[in-house]
Amino acid sequence: TQLLEQSPQFLSIQEGENLTVYCNSSSVFSSLQWYRQEPGEGPVLLVTVVTGGEVKKLKRLTFQFGDARKDSSLHITAAQPGDTGLYLCAGVRGANNLFFGTGTRLTVIP
Amino acid sequence: GAVVSQHPSRVICKSGTSVKIECRSLDFQATTMFWYRQFPKQSLMLMATSNEGSKATYEQGVEKDKFLINHASLTLSTLTVTSAHPEDSSFYICSARDHLAKNIQYFGAGTRLSVL
Repeated sequence: TQLLEQSPQFLSIQEGENLTVYCNSSSVFSSLQWYRQEPGEGPVLLVTVVTGGEVKKLKRLTFQFGDARKDSSLHITAAQPGDTGLYLCAGVRGANNLFFGTGTRLTVIP
Repeated sequence: GAVVSQHPSRVICKSGTSVKIECRSLDFQATTMFWYRQFPKQSLMLMATSNEGSKATYEQGVEKDKFLINHASLTLSTLTVTSAHPEDSSFYICSARDHLAKNIQYFGAGTRLSVL
């Protein structure tokens, strides 16, 4: 059962455009993580958000954790071809087990 | 940063054979390791949690006799796909949790299994 739904599922944009990926759940998580995965490789952790309402910035990437700790968003400013990949949110519950979202496949066209 | 080594990166086998995948934490001790399965263009699905020195905990719907997990040391967990069939073909990914930084999992690079 997928606890976390991501939208959009696929996104293809031109270089320089902005985009937002959403991660929604009806469940509360103690924290939420965002990963990026490239084909044939394991996911790489981008950020962990812990507090409801928290906003973290990583260069052109802005991550926000919802006030109720059920949802999150990832905003990319001025996307570059190097941002292409599969973006996964993952909620942390219980004994620090991760529950991955459905994924958003981003393609940035030069 | 912490490194998790997964081996092999790719394996092709005949139907009915067994395949072992290794997951090693290279510079930290991991009392807990996780095994995930990922189908093409889909997200990661947790298969089982591997605990050092004890039996693995399997997620609902995952056959423990089909996917044997051994976590005999603080740096190594293995997943054996027994009597593999074409429907077992998938991308298998392990992760290891640093026992000193329990909110972080470090992921291996994955193993692409193709069963003919």
